[in-house]
Amino acid sequence: GIQVEQSPPDLILQEGANSTLRCNFSDSVNNLQWFHQNPWGQLINLFYIPSGTKQNGRLSATTVATERYSLLYISSSQTTDSGVYFCAVRTSGSRLTFGEGTQLTVNP
Amino acid sequence: DAGVIQSPRHEVTEMGQEVTLRCKPISGHNSLFWYRQTMMRGLELLIYFNNNVPIDDSGMPEDRFSAKMPNASFSTLKIQPSEPRDSAVYFCASSALGRSYEQYFGPGTRLTVT
Repeated sequence: GIQVEQSPPDLILQEGANSTLRCNFSDSVNNLQWFHQNPWGQLINLFYIPSGTKQNGRLSATTVATERYSLLYISSSQTTDSGVYFCAVRTSGSRLTFGEGTQLTVNP
Repeated sequence: DAGVIQSPRHEVTEMGQEVTLRCKPISGHNSLFWYRQTMMRGLELLIYFNNNVPIDDSGMPEDRFSAKMPNASFSTLKIQPSEPRDSAVYFCASSALGRSYEQYFGPGTRLTVT
């Protein structure tokens, strides 16, 4: 099956810093989603981005499908950005395959 | 619109007992997914349904696990008998077939089996 690798596995930032999270996948995909799992365990949809670039406030994402990677940018990080960021891809059918996540800690 | 609804939010039970988790998908969505999340195995898909029909149950760990979707607005995941290794957070998600397939997750049920 498809492999999804996220990097870095852990990231510690000071409030106000910027960061880039990466997701590499081993095969062509039909869709790609970024999720944020907050410290309370909720999985929150950030982006549905099979290709191209999207922005939502301080967050933006870019997927280059031909090169099989996606990037999530967080600017001016806040403590509320802490949590785990997951990338998930769909190849065929409805199944999503998740990466192992990036654990982000933003310190005040 | 209400998101995906799961109940109960927390469940503590003793080994050997039957556990039933419930999910109501987003209205209009016709795909429903059950996931399990543990520290060791991360997020793993257990089973999913399209139009109330089970499509892929290859992730169901063993015969102790079963899932049903009697109608478009309700699904259950049952564990009988439960074991301590079943302790995990169980998520339900839904999406709309034929559109973006974007999945939306419920708040999860934290199951503890003692």
